[in-house]
Amino acid sequence: AQSVSQHNHHVILSEAASLELGCNYSYGGTVNLFWYVQYPGQHLQLLLKYFSGDPLVKGIKGFEAEFIKSKFSFNLRKPSVQWSDTAEYFCAVNARTGGFKTIFGAGTRLFVKA
Amino acid sequence: DGGITQSPKYLFRKEGQNVTLSCEQNLNHDAMYWYRQDPGQGLRLIYYSQIVNDFQKGDIAEGYSVSREKKESFPLTVTSAQKNPTAFYLCASSIQSGRIADTQYFGPGTRLTVL
Repeated sequence: AQSVSQHNHHVILSEAASLELGCNYSYGGTVNLFWYVQYPGQHLQLLLKYFSGDPLVKGIKGFEAEFIKSKFSFNLRKPSVQWSDTAEYFCAVNARTGGFKTIFGAGTRLFVKA
Repeated sequence: DGGITQSPKYLFRKEGQNVTLSCEQNLNHDAMYWYRQDPGQGLRLIYYSQIVNDFQKGDIAEGYSVSREKKESFPLTVTSAQKNPTAFYLCASSIQSGRIADTQYFGPGTRLTVL
């Protein structure tokens, strides 16, 4: 069965620190990859996605993620976090042969200290 | 103003009662989904629907039922057979991009508490 692992459940950083959130998935075929974010009191929304092409994708608010096929990973990065990045981040994977079913990771709660 | 609406925001029910959660979208999306969000477990798929009058079970469908009679609406019924129904329920929709899942747009959620 497909699964998505997010290695850190809680991360605390100071403003201007660099961020990397890990995401690994277990599926050997072609996948679509997503990072979603849930800011306090707001709807879950898309941060960025990868379907094909350049494995380094850029999203909103300065976030980027790199797809490394050999490592089954899609880690999220940001060079310098801000207090407003405090949120919960979810990695999600859709196997192309799985139709519309998307598997979500358990989420990582990020708290940025001002 | 396009989007997904879920009602009610908070819902309380007594054990043994069925309850229906509403989800409506005006984004003209073909696919709709129901997830359950529990602390530390992320989002788990309950049911999804790719077109009207068709839906499939997700990973945790036991104790739940859905209908998709209209493109805009995908209500979820939590039945008395669901052993641990207290949770946060999220509805989502997405554009149909061939046979794959594209970006999902989420509603504000309904927090169900069983007393």
